[in-house]
Amino acid sequence: AQKVTQAQTEISVVEKEDVTLDCVYETRDTTYYLFWYKQPPSGELVFLIRRNSFDEQNEISGRYSWNFQKSTSSFNFTITASQVVDSAVYFCALSGGTGRRALTFGSGTRLQVQP
Amino acid sequence: DAGVIQSPRHEVTEMGQEVTLRCKPISGHNSLFWYRQTMMRGLELLIYFNNNVPIDDSGMPEDRFSAKMPNASFSTLKIQPSEPRDSAVYFCASSRPGTENTEAFFGQGTRLTVV
Repeated sequence: AQKVTQAQTEISVVEKEDVTLDCVYETRDTTYYLFWYKQPPSGELVFLIRRNSFDEQNEISGRYSWNFQKSTSSFNFTITASQVVDSAVYFCALSGGTGRRALTFGSGTRLQVQP
Repeated sequence: DAGVIQSPRHEVTEMGQEVTLRCKPISGHNSLFWYRQTMMRGLELLIYFNNNVPIDDSGMPEDRFSAKMPNASFSTLKIQPSEPRDSAVYFCASSRPGTENTEAFFGQGTRLTVV
């Protein structure tokens, strides 16, 4: 069985602060895929990043960066110099085994960025 | 490019009525997913199609729920009879083919209220 845990239910920061959203996963698959999605107040789910289990390179995209550590089964997401527009619920998700594409989602972390 | 299109965006119905939710995936995508989002259970998979064939329907709550994908460009999720506990946001998502599990793109969702 697969499981994704996002222990932080809600985080509140002031604009320009850095913030890290934690994600811990469990799977028995040797090949698996990790994802982050953003759900702004408007409600849609926006894809942010995909990682496969063989690629532990960290990734940076503008103010966003992701740290994947297989040794601790974690895939954390950092927003640098947060902005009010970053306010949203962020979901970490996992799919296991190539071809088994359905996502198991964490419970989400609500990020509020105050001006 | 058109994204995943869901209709209706909002649906209010009375308990016992039949409800049909519709989804048009992104052209060229061959996997289609139906997810449900509630406060209590978060985001959970209902059913997953690959090449129009249901692959995993283990998340379909009970016989009142049924899903079809008659062709590559259309899917329906039907609830008959509807109950108040079915109130939720229902998301359809699609992903492109590939040797790896590709990211899913989500529609805007259908907010269903059963009174």
